[in-house]
Amino acid sequence: QSVLTQPPSVSGTPGQRVTISCSGSSSNIGSNIVDWYQQLPGTAPKLLIYGNNQRPSGVPGRFSGSKSGTSASLAISGLQSEDEADYYCAAWDDRLIGWVFGGGTKLTVL
Amino acid sequence: QVTLKESGPALVKPTQTLTLTCTFSGFSLSTREMRASWIRQPPGKALEWLARIDWDDEKFYSASLKTRLTISKDTSKNQMVLTVTNVDPVDTATYFCVRQTCRGNTCYFDYWGQGILVTVSS
Repeated sequence: QSVLTQPPSVSGTPGQRVTISCSGSSSNIGSNIVDWYQQLPGTAPKLLIYGNNQRPSGVPGRFSGSKSGTSASLAISGLQSEDEADYYCAAWDDRLIGWVFGGGTKLTVL
Repeated sequence: QVTLKESGPALVKPTQTLTLTCTFSGFSLSTREMRASWIRQPPGKALEWLARIDWDDEKFYSASLKTRLTISKDTSKNQMVLTVTNVDPVDTATYFCVRQTCRGNTCYFDYWGQGILVTVSS
């Protein structure tokens, strides 16, 4: 059981916009920043969004992050087939004194 | 160019101690604000953070595993080591070595090793 809650799966068609939610509590998302990671099949995760809404260089502008209260969201616009991957949110937890991850969301591009 | 690579046994028996080494380049764990963590992923399951070590040798452990984990670093060799005692089949996972960069209040895992699959089985 992951500390942060994500939907197990989302899907969309090419060109569509999808969002992935990440729900936490006051000890993690509510008081700390959220990062998002993309994991393509058979590879290590890759940093996608940091600091709630910042994109590392090389990450397309189609990816955006937001946070409100104890929840965060990742939005992907102009969906492409290569976006098919697992997506994880992460945050520091002040009560557990450690990093916590969401259970991951599998994005399928139909 | 930052690279990290995990090494260690692919197979360990239950109750044994697992020792994993991360050899990295392109950064130093003696540089202020630099940190590194171990994160694991059981087959088909989610990521789980295990432990972190900072440039000043401060250490943090997963609350659920802290009695079984030890993290250490050797800055002269650019290596980080994780030991897991009394392993069980539920410890079967791909173990990732990850660099963490912090700027003010913002911290993130920016470089990941390729991971090493460790199977616990008799």
